[in-house]
Amino acid sequence: DAGVIQSPRHEVTEMGQEVTLRCKPISGHNSLFWYRQTMMRGLELLIYFNNNVPIDDSGMPEDRFSAKMPNASFSTLKIQPSEPRDSAVYFCASSSSGGTREQYFGPGTRLTVT
Amino acid sequence: AQSVTQLDSQVPVFEEAPVELRCNYSSSVSVYLFWYVQYPNQGLQLLLKYLSGSTLVKGINGFEAEFNKSQTSFHLRKPSVHISDTAEYFCAVTPINQAGTALIFGKGTTLSVSS
Repeated sequence: DAGVIQSPRHEVTEMGQEVTLRCKPISGHNSLFWYRQTMMRGLELLIYFNNNVPIDDSGMPEDRFSAKMPNASFSTLKIQPSEPRDSAVYFCASSSSGGTREQYFGPGTRLTVT
Repeated sequence: AQSVTQLDSQVPVFEEAPVELRCNYSSSVSVYLFWYVQYPNQGLQLLLKYLSGSTLVKGINGFEAEFNKSQTSFHLRKPSVHISDTAEYFCAVTPINQAGTALIFGKGTTLSVSS
């Protein structure tokens, strides 16, 4: 199993630009989670999906952030426009919504907004 | 609602010493419990989990954790740590009978092992 795949691994962009982060969950998993991690705020849950449907987006910081899951094998997190305070490591994780629900994390995307 | 408190934000220890990382949780319903480890510049990796049965759970890399229902705790232990155990450790819970809910994570404990 390839595990959760995230791309790109590193992204450097200028303030005001659009940023799109991508995630491919583990095959067979029907829950997908987006997290943000910073030194100041730690690990924050941004949004999660069950069966491609957004369940809880209360962690999305503001309207500049949006997430989609068009099918069971792909999700995107978009920031438009990006700001320096969005600099962080963004993780995607997947799990089965039933059973014990342990999450499997991707390697993360390190975003730097200058 | 559930919450997780990791009582120590940083734990410095010397190599080959024992270590305990403390985790307390609050929940009105029964929960599954997890410990995750995050090595520098990597994602979180499942270390061990408690689902039911024996309260002592063994995980990877020689770690174990003990579930104490009366004290609502799930402390992580290792009898002898290595330099390579330096990482951040997260405790997490999720309600057993609420399918489709997310894990609730603690704020993490940074374990620093020095020689």
